[in-house]
Amino acid sequence: KAGVTQTPRYLIKTRGQQVTLSCSPISGHRSVSWYQQTPGQGLQFLFEYFSETQRNKGNFPGRFSGRQFSNSRSEMNVSTLELGDSALYLCASSLGGSEKLFFGSGTQLSVL
Amino acid sequence: GENVEQHPSTLSVQEGDSAVIKCTYSDSASNYFPWYKQELGKGPQLIIDIRSNVGEKKDQRIAVTLNKTAKHFSLHITETQPEDSAVYFCAARLSGSARQLTFGSGTQLTVLP
Repeated sequence: KAGVTQTPRYLIKTRGQQVTLSCSPISGHRSVSWYQQTPGQGLQFLFEYFSETQRNKGNFPGRFSGRQFSNSRSEMNVSTLELGDSALYLCASSLGGSEKLFFGSGTQLSVL
Repeated sequence: GENVEQHPSTLSVQEGDSAVIKCTYSDSASNYFPWYKQELGKGPQLIIDIRSNVGEKKDQRIAVTLNKTAKHFSLHITETQPEDSAVYFCAARLSGSARQLTFGSGTQLTVLP
């Protein structure tokens, strides 16, 4: 069974640009969560989607947004990029009501 | 909100020895405590988890203990092997917060051959 797939693996952008990251969950998983990982702040929750609805949102500015499609695939978007947005963005999927999160390998975003 | 503290930040052990990583959480409403292992260039991998109605759980060389009164939980790895070398994260989830986990700051475990 394929794991969580995130694309692209690496991304370089400049300040002020916007970026869209993609996540395909494990087959059958309907919940997708996004986390940001930085050396300074560690792993921080961004948001969770279930059946195309945002269920929960972390303490990030409105420049961070996401959506989920009917096939459970998810995208997150960051607009007006800042240097501090450089991070590893991780997507995790889970099965129905399960608490267990299964992470992808992440997208490494560098903002120059 | 929830706050999770993790110690130590680095840990070196000899192959075959045991390793223990400890975490404390702040909110007594937390009811789910997973542990993740992250290798270089990969995402975190769930290795064991425990719910608040259980005091201890074991899976081969890995065990987790939970003390709800003290709001402590710990990861125990016995008979360590070089492939156990990685960064380990503890996490806690508040009851009713879906899949929002609050993570500890991580422990870099190095197993010396």
